[in-house]
Amino acid sequence: EAEVAQSPRYKITEKSQAVAFWCDPISGHATLYWYRQILGQGPELLVQFQDESVVDDSQLPKDRFSAERLKGVDSTLKIQPAELGDSAMYLCASSLALRRAETQYFGPGTRLLVL
Amino acid sequence: DQQVKQNSPSLSVQEGRISILNCDYTNSMFDYFLWYKKYPAEGPTFLISISSIKDKNEDGRFTVFLNKSAKHLSLHIVPSQPGDSAVYFCAASALSGNQFYFGTGTSLTVIP
Repeated sequence: EAEVAQSPRYKITEKSQAVAFWCDPISGHATLYWYRQILGQGPELLVQFQDESVVDDSQLPKDRFSAERLKGVDSTLKIQPAELGDSAMYLCASSLALRRAETQYFGPGTRLLVL
Repeated sequence: DQQVKQNSPSLSVQEGRISILNCDYTNSMFDYFLWYKKYPAEGPTFLISISSIKDKNEDGRFTVFLNKSAKHLSLHIVPSQPGDSAVYFCAASALSGNQFYFGTGTSLTVIP
């Protein structure tokens, strides 16, 4: 069964350093999502792509976070500089199309710890 | 401001009994709801959905009930099995947007 791939699975960094996360969605999925899940909370949408275009990045802290999906396939989420409050699980999800009824398939996530 | 709330962080149920997980929301514009299940070290997995045109949706052992007037939904698992032990998230969205708002999750433990 096709899965969403994410790497790395774990990342420890010091504050003010740059970090990057990679996501490879299920083949053929046009829509890609990045979520942040702080411990004890539910996932919160950071950015949403339709193919290579950003559909919604209203929740993305743009002073330090950036996301791209250049060829409309895999995607990278970057944080520069990292802050202590960025420690969280970063989840990537994909769906066939940009419709609410389309199931979002989640990857295993990247757990970030900022020291 | 948490628009979707799961007020029970944890729930323990005996195997074979019913598990009832609850979710409340505040935004009256929400009209589509999901439940996800999450095992440790894995991403959430879609479980079941319900649209506001219905008040019940059933899929095997899983049934979701929606009470629009109370802004409340619940997930019933009957009978509960040890493999159901996981964290369950409810999520909601409004017709005007594609974003889903997630609750904080309820950790279900099914005791053999």
